[in-house]
Amino acid sequence: DAGVTQSPTHLIKTRGQQVTLRCSPISGHKSVSWYQQVLGQGPQFIFQYYEKEERGRGNFPDRFSARQFPNYSSELNVNALLLGDSALYLCASSWTWEETQYFGPGTRLLVL
Amino acid sequence: QKEVEQDPGPLSVPEGAIVSLNCTYSNSAFQYFMWYRQYSRKGPELLMYTYSSGNKEDGRFTAQVDKSSKYISLFIRDSQPSDSATYLCAMSNQGGKLIFGQGTELSVKP
Repeated sequence: DAGVTQSPTHLIKTRGQQVTLRCSPISGHKSVSWYQQVLGQGPQFIFQYYEKEERGRGNFPDRFSARQFPNYSSELNVNALLLGDSALYLCASSWTWEETQYFGPGTRLLVL
Repeated sequence: QKEVEQDPGPLSVPEGAIVSLNCTYSNSAFQYFMWYRQYSRKGPELLMYTYSSGNKEDGRFTAQVDKSSKYISLFIRDSQPSDSATYLCAMSNQGGKLIFGQGTELSVKP
């Protein structure tokens, strides 16, 4: 069975640009969560979606937004990129919002 | 003060050694405790999942949770070079949002 997939794997953007990251959950999983992992740190929670509804939001500015589609895939959008947004962006899926989360390989974003 | 504290290491041990990794936390509402392993430039991989206090064993790995002390541990027996990775503790109060430690970088030398 395929695990969580994310695209693209790597991305280079310049300050002020906008970026969209994509995630496909494990088949049957209805919840997707997004995390940001800065080099040398643990992942930090950004959003969780379950059945297309936002279940939780972390302490991130409004430049970060996300949505979940009817097929349970998800997109994370970041506007007005800052140098500090450079990180590994991880998507995790689970059966429901409270079940064990399984992570994808991440999208590595570099903002120049 | 961070909600979850984890010694970042790095930790270097010889092959075959017993490894002890630890996290402390401040939020007494946490009930779900996890250990993830993350290889370089990869996503975290779930190793152990524990609900509330107690021990859980899976092969060479043992997870312990002491809620009274707000302290969790992961023990790796007979460590192998393939165990070289960053180990992340994570916890939550009712599922959903996971709070991670900083991660401990482990190197097992042949």
